[in-house]
Amino acid sequence: DQQVKQNSPSLSVQEGRISILNCDYTNSMFDYFLWYKKYPAEGPTFLISISSIKDKNEDGRFTVFLNKSAKHLSLHIVPSQPGDSAVYFCAARAEKTSYDKVIFGPGTSLSVIP
Amino acid sequence: DAGVIQSPRHEVTEMGQEVTLRCKPISGHNSLFWYRQTMMRGLELLIYFNNNVPIDDSGMPEDRFSAKMPNASFSTLKIQPSEPRDSAVYFCASSPGTPQETQYFGPGTRLLVL
Repeated sequence: DQQVKQNSPSLSVQEGRISILNCDYTNSMFDYFLWYKKYPAEGPTFLISISSIKDKNEDGRFTVFLNKSAKHLSLHIVPSQPGDSAVYFCAARAEKTSYDKVIFGPGTSLSVIP
Repeated sequence: DAGVIQSPRHEVTEMGQEVTLRCKPISGHNSLFWYRQTMMRGLELLIYFNNNVPIDDSGMPEDRFSAKMPNASFSTLKIQPSEPRDSAVYFCASSPGTPQETQYFGPGTRLLVL
């Protein structure tokens, strides 16, 4: 059973508009969340993270929102650019327990149309 | 730094053959991870090492898979015998300390078993 879910396999957005990528998790022990970005033929690279003590973290055009009660987080990209076209992986881990694996979601493929 | 180095980048083999994937982590990193990416399951953690010691291999699919880390700068993932269902992209990643730190991924090995 997947503990980190990304229910949209793909998303298309017009350049300049907002991209919203969603992620849900089931394990209430998760307290740190990350987004990785992956271009074709390359490995994933770290993009942005958020701790469970916050509900928002912003880095330039990228903002991650966390709703702990709903076990849901989202990544907002504003404005979207063609170079943002990639696969985005949501990931989660439990910092304060011995369960120290990072669990990745299946990914969402974002296409930003010029 | 050259980043995480993986070889080969592509591998095509026939069912029943032995396959060996290689990884050189970033110098100074203490944790090393092997992941498999498939369309169905996304990024799955197969095994991770800390200070060259296997810590968690619960993600290794079956006895046909084995991984070693003989020293801090080299790891192998071996599949023997290979099967068509092993076809996937295999990523190696490393992190400076524990798995809870940001992971740096290699470019991956695309494996096709015919």
